[in-house]
Amino acid sequence: EADIYQTPRYLVIGTGKKITLECSQTMGHDKMYWYQQDPGMELHLIHYSYGVNSTEKGDLSSESTVSRIRTEHFPLTLESARPSHTSQYLCASRGQGGETQYFGPGTRLLVL
Amino acid sequence: AQSVTQLDSQVPVFEEAPVELRCNYSSSVSVYLFWYVQYPNQGLQLLLKYLSGSTLVKGINGFEAEFNKSQTSFHLRKPSVHISDTAEYFCAVSDRSGGSNYKLTFGKGTLLTVNP
Repeated sequence: EADIYQTPRYLVIGTGKKITLECSQTMGHDKMYWYQQDPGMELHLIHYSYGVNSTEKGDLSSESTVSRIRTEHFPLTLESARPSHTSQYLCASRGQGGETQYFGPGTRLLVL
Repeated sequence: AQSVTQLDSQVPVFEEAPVELRCNYSSSVSVYLFWYVQYPNQGLQLLLKYLSGSTLVKGINGFEAEFNKSQTSFHLRKPSVHISDTAEYFCAVSDRSGGSNYKLTFGKGTLLTVNP
């Protein structure tokens, strides 16, 4: 069983606020990913990291930013939240040489 | 580039009935194949994966899937479902060679609803 954590699980916030979604894993995985999932839709990759100080944008354009200062931590930040950012955000990680991604429980974000 | 098509967006079944959730993929390279399950308000949990070897793969909770290379399919089956199997099921692929660094491409999901 993978140990990957996301906080908060649910967040309701007003337009214009800055928010940070936290993702941590205790498996020492070097690869980490952020996906966005709208209701009834597939997951879209928005950011990924291959290791400390490495971040790349994913297939779906996003106004969010990420950082990877520590191996275990991969936070996602929205500088100014908008209603269009309302979605579920899922974090995942994968170990060196492994082909399987393990997912956290997700954060459901509602921007009013 | 890869794409994944899950042919049914919703599958309602009665408890103890068999079920098949269909997944077809398109890829110019060899792929790894995955099925994930998402219970309400939770993240994704790996059900099973095909990497190599036997084309019939067994996973958790009594699920199995068969890789068919000629039909580019990876259908998920369970001979007898339970109410607790009600969830969203996602099929996904990644490049076997490590191209795109094993990034996953997902289908749109199939909502399995098991009725008493």
